[in-house]
Amino acid sequence: DTAVSQTPKYLVTQMGNDKSIKCEQNLGHDTMYWYKQDSKKFLKIMFSYNNKELIINETVPNRFSPKSPDKAHLNLHINSLELGDSAVYFCASSQEGEQYFGPGTRLTVT
Amino acid sequence: GENVEQHPSTLSVQEGDSAVIKCTYSDSASNYFPWYKQELGKRPQLIIDIRSNVGEKKDQRIAVTLNKTAKHFSLHITETQPEDSAVYFCAAIISNFGNEKLTFGTGTRLTIIP
Repeated sequence: DTAVSQTPKYLVTQMGNDKSIKCEQNLGHDTMYWYKQDSKKFLKIMFSYNNKELIINETVPNRFSPKSPDKAHLNLHINSLELGDSAVYFCASSQEGEQYFGPGTRLTVT
Repeated sequence: GENVEQHPSTLSVQEGDSAVIKCTYSDSASNYFPWYKQELGKRPQLIIDIRSNVGEKKDQRIAVTLNKTAKHFSLHITETQPEDSAVYFCAAIISNFGNEKLTFGTGTRLTIIP
């Protein structure tokens, strides 16, 4: 069974559109994350969330918003997409620090 | 906040030789230090980790050392093989009963030369 899954794997869209990426974990972890990995391979934390607290990286534009319908899911909504949003987005869940990453979603904004 | 520096950013090593990647951190409250390997087009995967109550940990060809006083930790890969070629990330994490604060290093691209 896949521990952390994301959909879609690839997403190509035009500037100005709104899109969502879904993430699910079946590990029973309390904390989930969204990361952005740019072309230089830097891993940047965008959000961390557990059932008590959402922590937002202050450098993330408010066009990005996480939504958690339940403990096993943390979806990422992006409004008004820009060219600079093109990257690979990873979801992860963790327990006591150890991160389990999803397979990634390659977003291309044209 | 925590600051993690990772060096070098790129490293080329002859097959069979050893590779060492170093990270420093700033927050003495960090208590968990994992290392992730990311192969091309794949997700980062944990390869080894160390907690602040341990100075060294080894798993076959891979070892991690931690110096809490100096706030640095290192990844050592011995007898390198072509499949070790990847990007490696360190991280420093404050983990306390479900509350986590983590910071990743900027990554090291390791290339093993056959």
